[in-house]
Formats: sequence, C-alpha cells, structure tokens
Amino acid sequence: SQQGEEDPQALSIQEGENATMNCSYKTSINNLQWYRQNSGRGLVHLILIRSNEREKHSGRLRVTLDTSKKSSSLLITASRAADTASYFCATAVRDSNYQLIWGAGTKLIIKP
Amino acid sequence: DTGVSQDPRHKITKRGQNVTFRCDPISEHNRLYWYRQTLGQGPEFLTYFQNEAQLEKSRLLSDRFSAERPKGSFSTLEIQRTEQGDSAMYLCASSFGTTSGNTIYFGEGSWLTVV
Repeated sequence: SQQGEEDPQALSIQEGENATMNCSYKTSINNLQWYRQNSGRGLVHLILIRSNEREKHSGRLRVTLDTSKKSSSLLITASRAADTASYFCATAVRDSNYQLIWGAGTKLIIKP
Repeated sequence: DTGVSQDPRHKITKRGQNVTFRCDPISEHNRLYWYRQTLGQGPEFLTYFQNEAQLEKSRLLSDRFSAERPKGSFSTLEIQRTEQGDSAMYLCASSFGTTSGNTIYFGEGSWLTVV
C-alpha cells in the first residue's frame, strides 16, 4: 500500500507564481525524498530531508518536514514553464533500510 | 552520461511471451532496486539487491517475475508468460551505502506494452 499522499492531486498556476505541494505519510520514517517526473520519463531526485531536519533549501526549492504531523511540503518559488511535471514524495521507512514508499504525486502545470 | 541506464526503453510484446529488461546502475553503487509504475500512480517497489544478493521481494513480484544481479553490477528483470496487466513502466534505481539515508537515483525506465 502507498504510504505517502500528495496534495493537491493537480495544481495549475501562472509562470512566476509560487507552487506549494504537500505530502502526508503514516509511519515513522528515516528520511523523505522529493522527486520530479516529466511525462513518460524517469524520476529525477530533487531533495532529501532527514527525520531530524525541519527545513532544507536547494535553489528555488524549499522543503519542510513536520514529523509530529507526519507531513512535508515542497515549495517551488518563481515557477517556470520547465517546472511543469509530476512531483512525488517518497519515504524511507524507519524499519526498512532499502524501500521507498511513494504517493500518487501532484501534477503541476505552469501556464506561460 | 554515468547515470542509471535501462534497456530497452520501450517493448511491445504479445501476451504469453517472455521479456527481459536490463539495468546498469551507477558504477560502484552497491544497492539496486526495481520498481513498477502505471499511469497516474507512484512507483511500486518490486525488489532490492545489495551487491549480488536479492534481499527483498515484494508480493507484487509473482512467480512469473525473476530478477538477477549475478556479479553485483548490472541486473536483469525477466517476466515470463506476460499478461496485459503487466503493462507498465519498469524503473531501475541504484544507491550507495549501508543505510537508507542515501539518495536513490533512477533510470529513464522501460515501458512495457502487452498486446
């Protein structure tokens, strides 16, 4: 069964606006990772945040993690058309050292 | 490019035929994973290797599926007697390390269509 649930399922915004996607999960985790997937392509790793971290930045990306609420958010600032893709969160579960569990993703469309 | 490489990228096969996918991980990555993804869904874990040892198999991996990593480098995923429900993208990934705190890198995937 899938552990993560992304919210919203789809998001359409104007270029230049910020995009926020959320992820909730069910069990204790070792870390949480965000990935991007362009249509029909493989998954591109964006950022990894460990369970003892609360916030990480990478370029225009900002990820937060709230382990008490079992949730994470991904913020993309100053969005570009090239950011159009599906975004997935994946959790590395604490009692498993090899398995990522995924949500169904958020489909982000950036309108020019 | 030294990323994860998968071959073939696309495969169309008739129901009942066998298919094999190959994955070349990033060199020196000791961990290798296979996932399956259908349209509109996130990836689903299939199996995991640490070096040449297959340490875990999902219940999704029926007896028709077999994966190998004979020398701890490349891996193959074979599907025997394919069914239409096997149509999906098969993703290979690799990582380095002994804990789950390391980034997992994915290949471009192998699309399978069973007709």
